[in-house]
Amino acid sequence: AQKITQTQPGMFVQEKEAVTLDCTYDTSDPSYGLFWYKQPSSGEMIFLIYQGSYDQQNATEGRYSLNFQKARKSANLVISASQLGDSAMYFCAMREVGGGADGLTFGKGTHLIIQP
Amino acid sequence: DGGITQSPKYLFRKEGQNVTLSCEQNLNHDAMYWYRQDPGQGLRLIYYSQIVNDFQKGDIAEGYSVSREKKESFPLTVTSAQKNPTAFYLCASQGQYSNQPQHFGDGTRLSIL
Repeated sequence: AQKITQTQPGMFVQEKEAVTLDCTYDTSDPSYGLFWYKQPSSGEMIFLIYQGSYDQQNATEGRYSLNFQKARKSANLVISASQLGDSAMYFCAMREVGGGADGLTFGKGTHLIIQP
Repeated sequence: DGGITQSPKYLFRKEGQNVTLSCEQNLNHDAMYWYRQDPGQGLRLIYYSQIVNDFQKGDIAEGYSVSREKKESFPLTVTSAQKNPTAFYLCASQGQYSNQPQHFGDGTRLSIL
């Protein structure tokens, strides 16, 4: 079973609209972290936002916020007031702190295209 | 500026040849990672190292080898045993706390001649 599922392979959004990118995860580890990364066409991975499993509040970083619903195991990224420069691949990733291999487990990503 | 440098940006491999991808960081991070990305896919973990002179296999280590002789350096060798090496390879490092993000290099694109 996939540990990180991103169900939207691609999305088209009008500039200035808000957009929600879905991410569900699967883990039995009570201690974990969830990360979102942006990958422009140039290929580099840009860290956007982090949510820890014990965090009481949803994370926010500028125009990015994370809608964390622990019971549903979802960690959706919300981008407010989208801009043309937001067009990129977006990846949700998880780190399980409790054990197993180190490193991040990534979803397959969502290709977001912002239209003028 | 602190960061991760990967080289080369593009690399071509002939059949039966080993090639080595370089990864250097000046972030003073103990942990370093190698990921592989195939078109339209997420990243998959190849190898990681949490400390000098120690490294562990990730999910897709077959056909790859690494070394960690210095804290700053974590080279990846794609051996001839890796039958499908064409991919985008990303190196990352991380600070000591689990809530810290991994920092990535700009990647190396490997193709078969």
